[in-house]
Amino acid sequence: GESVGLHLPTLSVQEGDNSIINCAYSNSASDYFIWYKQESGKGPQFIIDIRSNMDKRQGQRVTVLLNKTVKHLSLQIAATQPGDSAVYFCAENSGYSTLTFGKGTMLLVSP
Amino acid sequence: DADVTQTPRNRITKTGKRIMLECSQTKGHDRMYWYRQDPGLGLRLIYYSFDVKDINKGEISDGYSVSRQAQAKFSLSLESAIPNQTALYFCATSDGGWEEKLFFGSGTQLSVL
Repeated sequence: GESVGLHLPTLSVQEGDNSIINCAYSNSASDYFIWYKQESGKGPQFIIDIRSNMDKRQGQRVTVLLNKTVKHLSLQIAATQPGDSAVYFCAENSGYSTLTFGKGTMLLVSP
Repeated sequence: DADVTQTPRNRITKTGKRIMLECSQTKGHDRMYWYRQDPGLGLRLIYYSFDVKDINKGEISDGYSVSRQAQAKFSLSLESAIPNQTALYFCATSDGGWEEKLFFGSGTQLSVL
């Protein structure tokens, strides 16, 4: 069946670097995508979303890029801080009124 | 105060016991969800409810049941708990918008011995 997956299970960066977290999706019918951040002991928190009619969307220090041609989604975090250390999930809505989540990427930020 | 509250935060139980996990929300959302999180497997949907009279099975509903007591309350039950139901359980809500943006509780860590 269709699924959402991630390329890298763990990403280690230095404080101040830019981070890029990737996500591959296989359902071409997906029309909405979300990135969530999950800190230890907490539930996932919304970071940013993007509709399929867009290629890029920016938030505060975060940018989501969508490449529908290769079915790829990425989350860019500028000037990564220790507080950005968490697990990041991508999720897609393929039109069935529920989200399908990827397996997550751990981001580790060293001071 | 949290918008989505789950109780208990942690629970240890024995195989065969009946367990209920509770979720309440103050966001006024119609839609509520129960997800299960296992290491390396992400979040998987157990059940969801679009309103008080609407209950739907998710990807992994076997061994679970739910009750939507009110718009603000959605409980998950394990009728006879088994060890492979040990996991972190999340309740979530959404306002039913096109995007299905979810808001999560803090989770319940359940251990079945």
